[in-house]
Amino acid sequence: GNSVTQMEGPVTLSEEAFLTINCTYTATGYPSLFWYVQYPGEGLQLLLKATKADDKGSNKGFEATYRKETTSFHLEKGSVQVSDSAVYFCALSRDNYGQNFVFGPGTRLSVLP
Amino acid sequence: ETGVTQTPRHLVMGMTNKKSLKCEQHLGHNAMYWYKQSAKKPLELMFVYNFKEQTENNSVPSRFSPECPNSSHLFLHLHTLQPEDSALYLCASSPGARGDTEAFFGQGTRLTVV
Repeated sequence: GNSVTQMEGPVTLSEEAFLTINCTYTATGYPSLFWYVQYPGEGLQLLLKATKADDKGSNKGFEATYRKETTSFHLEKGSVQVSDSAVYFCALSRDNYGQNFVFGPGTRLSVLP
Repeated sequence: ETGVTQTPRHLVMGMTNKKSLKCEQHLGHNAMYWYKQSAKKPLELMFVYNFKEQTENNSVPSRFSPECPNSSHLFLHLHTLQPEDSALYLCASSPGARGDTEAFFGQGTRLTVV
């Protein structure tokens, strides 16, 4: 079946440190891949996405590249800020109709000043 | 503002109560979802509606009853819940059409069953 695996954390970093959150997936076909972020007390917000192999999604300094050969979609940011503290979810859509999303367990990130 | 609005934001109910959660989207989407988010558990998909038709029910207990009267509104009717049903309930929508589309989430309803 389709699934998403990601490091669960928590991840604690100092401000301006480099961030990597690993995400790997199992899927039939060619899913679209997403990173969502959830700030305290809020719903999930789309951070970035990629829809085909070798695509790079980017937003707010975050980047992730769709790697079909390693079935991975790792999230990176060169210099984190305190305001990046949140829970990050890797996800895929199970079909090309943009439906039936499968989410990873989420990774809690804490950035210390 | 994500375009998906959930009400109420917080709800406390007794195990014998009946209540409903409401979700409304103004994005012109055709697919709507209910997710349950519990502490220390992955996000659980509960129900999927596509063009007002229920297309997925992930073995959800019958004490949760969804209703989708039109493509813009989704309800979750609750009755005789258990304390373990306490969680954040998230509604989402997506275009439901072929393409590189993503889900848009509401802010959730924090439900506490006492």
